[in-house]
Amino acid sequence: SSELTQDPAVSVALGQTVRITCQGDTLRSNYASWYQKKPGQAPQLVMYGKYNRASGIPDRFSGSSSGLTASLTITGAQAEDEADYYCGSRRDSSDNHVVFGGGTRLTVL
Amino acid sequence: EVQLVESGGGLVQPGRSLRLSCATSGFTFEDYAMHWVRQAPGKGLEWVAGISWNSDNIGYADSVKGRFTISRDNARNSLSLQIHNLRAEDTAFYYCAKDILIATRRFSSLEHWGQGTLVAVSA
Repeated sequence: SSELTQDPAVSVALGQTVRITCQGDTLRSNYASWYQKKPGQAPQLVMYGKYNRASGIPDRFSGSSSGLTASLTITGAQAEDEADYYCGSRRDSSDNHVVFGGGTRLTVL
Repeated sequence: EVQLVESGGGLVQPGRSLRLSCATSGFTFEDYAMHWVRQAPGKGLEWVAGISWNSDNIGYADSVKGRFTISRDNARNSLSLQIHNLRAEDTAFYYCAKDILIATRRFSSLEHWGQGTLVAVSA
């Protein structure tokens, strides 16, 4: 089981807003990063640190956090946003251990 | 442009060893921590190992500790992963990834990724 917990699947209507969440004790002291993974492609960093978008990521993607939960929000979801999304973070106070959530499959209807 | 190119994957028998490599270009390799991440068929991403810019901080997932060894050659801009005693559950795409932070011992976000190399463990 992952130390970061994500809902296995989420769906959103084209053009609507969707939030993908990630929960874990390690988020009390570490920021979550978010990665997009499409079939046959390498993972891509989407969000990192305190709500920073990675290079080339559209501004419809945003991040937030509250307590032990981090969220990735897509405002105005597009067909090309359909993918698996993974949160990641350092494990607790460790300097040298990274953990990923189990992933959320986003379907754009 | 940052480029990460993995190699060394293939079909391997259980119990054998394998060495994966990652050739890099487009950035100052010696300044960044590097990682290996894998994805088994139909499964999620699993962080496997990481190494700091100067190799003084190395970490492994509990699932591979003792069988996997990560190393780097800053003179050759390359990253390696030595895998011993391969098991069926090691079957996965293995990705090389560059950390986002510069010259720090702490691991952070994985900013750039290679396309991966497939390791298949089967008799």
